[in-house]
Amino acid sequence: GQNIDQPTEMTATEGAIVQINCTYQTSGFNGLFWYQQHAGEAPTFLSYNVLDGLEEKGRFSSFLSRSKGYSYLLLKELQMKDSASYLCAVSPDDYIPTFGRGTSLIVHP
Amino acid sequence: GAVVSQHPSWVICKSGTSVKIECRSLDFQATTMFWYRQFPKQSLMLMATSNEGSKATYEQGVEKDKFLINHASLTLSTLTVTSAHPEDSSFYICSASKRELGGNEQFFGPGTRLTVL
Repeated sequence: GQNIDQPTEMTATEGAIVQINCTYQTSGFNGLFWYQQHAGEAPTFLSYNVLDGLEEKGRFSSFLSRSKGYSYLLLKELQMKDSASYLCAVSPDDYIPTFGRGTSLIVHP
Repeated sequence: GAVVSQHPSWVICKSGTSVKIECRSLDFQATTMFWYRQFPKQSLMLMATSNEGSKATYEQGVEKDKFLINHASLTLSTLTVTSAHPEDSSFYICSASKRELGGNEQFFGPGTRLTVL
């Protein structure tokens, strides 16, 4: 089976940096995705990692270590609008993605 | 870009009726389409995987006779909730993917909120 773990909830202060971790155990690996989902809306794509290392995209960066089954999403210069759920998803051998339960991030002033 | 649309965006129906939800990839041909259900404050739960021209593959615990999926073309998949009951009320989201080198990215539709009275 597939298993993805990420924290349920995190809080952070506006302007700060927050790191959301994700660990996974899957049957094969064809990439890891991070999505942002605001309440009542569909997920939106943030990043995709298939090779080890850090991918930077503006205020958001995503890191992957395949040997450790580990990824993190780094959010810098937090804004209130970043309050959302962040979903880690892995594409295993059969390309049918498995989603984590999501991390609810609360940004306060 | 890759845009996926869903229709309707919300629907309210009476218990016992059937509801059809459409998912379309507007500017690309989708290799595969996925149907998810999401209850409040919970993660996406995959219901079924649909490939054009073949029968959908349902996840364990999802009744295929209740949730009918038709994938008639590379740009359209439909989910029909038959004999809907209040416990079927949920947020239904489809996604479409196109196989790319080294993996696949999913493009999500905006979701359909179903309320069964």
